[in-house]
Amino acid sequence: GQQLNQSPQSMFIQEGEDVSMNCTSSSIFNTWLWYKQDPGEGPVLLIALYKAGELTSNGRLTAQFGITRKDSFLNISASIPSDVGIYFCAGRGDKIIFGKGTRLHILP
Amino acid sequence: DAGITQSPRHKVTETGTPVTLRCHQTENHRYMYWYRQDPGHGLRLIHYSYGVKDTDKGEVSDGYSVSRSKTEDFLLTLESATSSQTSVYFCAIRDPNRVGYTEAFFGQGTRLTVV
Repeated sequence: GQQLNQSPQSMFIQEGEDVSMNCTSSSIFNTWLWYKQDPGEGPVLLIALYKAGELTSNGRLTAQFGITRKDSFLNISASIPSDVGIYFCAGRGDKIIFGKGTRLHILP
Repeated sequence: DAGITQSPRHKVTETGTPVTLRCHQTENHRYMYWYRQDPGHGLRLIHYSYGVKDTDKGEVSDGYSVSRSKTEDFLLTLESATSSQTSVYFCAIRDPNRVGYTEAFFGQGTRLTVV
């Protein structure tokens, strides 16, 4: 079946640092999605990518859809405490398949 | 809010009993999904629906069934609950034709404990 490999599993960073996480797939997806989940809540969509090579920003967040359609990355610039949470990549067709998540911790 | 409600929000049940979780939407979205979330596994797709009475299996469908008799409701049934089905269950909805809202929105989850 389709699998997404997301890395790293967790990150501990200082406030103000930049963050980078990525996702690779064994299959091609036509749409890549990035979600964030806060404790006790459902995932919330951050960025959607629809074209290979596309680079999209949402405030301090930037994501890219890989040329091969089998990978994507998410960057967060100048991290702040509210960035703490779990970030998920997802590949979408009729089904939406998720990576296992990157848990972001910010040290004071 | 995306107009999606999961019920119940918390449930404790005994092994071997049937359990039904409900996802209700007020958005008239075509697609509905059920996921389970477990530590170390992320979100795994159980079943999904692409229309009334149209459903398909996801990655981890064994032990689960679903029904969608009307657009607004998608029911997930654990036919005979087992401890391995202790998890947090999320419902999501999506409408590919809804301008500006074509990607999935998630409910707040149902925490199910099987004892």
